[in-house]
Amino acid sequence: KNQVEQSPQSLIILEGKNCTLQCNYTVSPFSNLRWYKQDTGRGPVSLTIMTFSENTKSNGRYTATLDADTKQSSLHITASQLSDSASYICVVTSGGSYIPTFGRGTSLIVHP
Amino acid sequence: DAGITQSPRHKVTETGTPVTLRCHQTENHRYMYWYRQDPGHGLRLIHYSYGVKDTDKGEVSDGYSVSRSKTEDFLLTLESATSSQTSVYFCAISESGGQGEQFFGPGTRLTVL
Repeated sequence: KNQVEQSPQSLIILEGKNCTLQCNYTVSPFSNLRWYKQDTGRGPVSLTIMTFSENTKSNGRYTATLDADTKQSSLHITASQLSDSASYICVVTSGGSYIPTFGRGTSLIVHP
Repeated sequence: DAGITQSPRHKVTETGTPVTLRCHQTENHRYMYWYRQDPGHGLRLIHYSYGVKDTDKGEVSDGYSVSRSKTEDFLLTLESATSSQTSVYFCAISESGGQGEQFFGPGTRLTVL
């Protein structure tokens, strides 16, 4: 069964600090991995997409990494801001599938 | 934001009543999805559609039915609502199915008393 596990479940950091969120998956065959950000009361929005051949991709202060051999991804947030407070969801898709597999998300709270 | 709306945005209903949620898109995307989101479970797929009149079940489809008679509309029906169906429901659209980015609607908060 395809699965996506995220850690930690929740995280509290101070504004300006960096943090890293983890995603482990067992989806096979692998097609792509996305990180979504979900603000409270809103739908998720895609931050990055990683395919098999990519191991790093940045979107502003967000940097995603992918290790396809160990089936792990991370999302690093640099110089956190209050607006980074949200849930971050890792989503993995297998080749030829209509249906992506969602992780349960990491809830990030940034305190001033 | 992608052109995707959900209605109603909030609904309170009683156990045993039928409920229909509507998802409307203006992007002409082929694929549409209904998810529910509950604390501790994340997003779970209820049903999805890969074309007009083409639908299939997701992992939590019991108690739900869907219909898609037009590209732009995807309806989710709870035939007889139960308290366990209290949740936030999200619709999503995608141009290229599971391979592509999913664009989510604003969500519908449903409370079944």
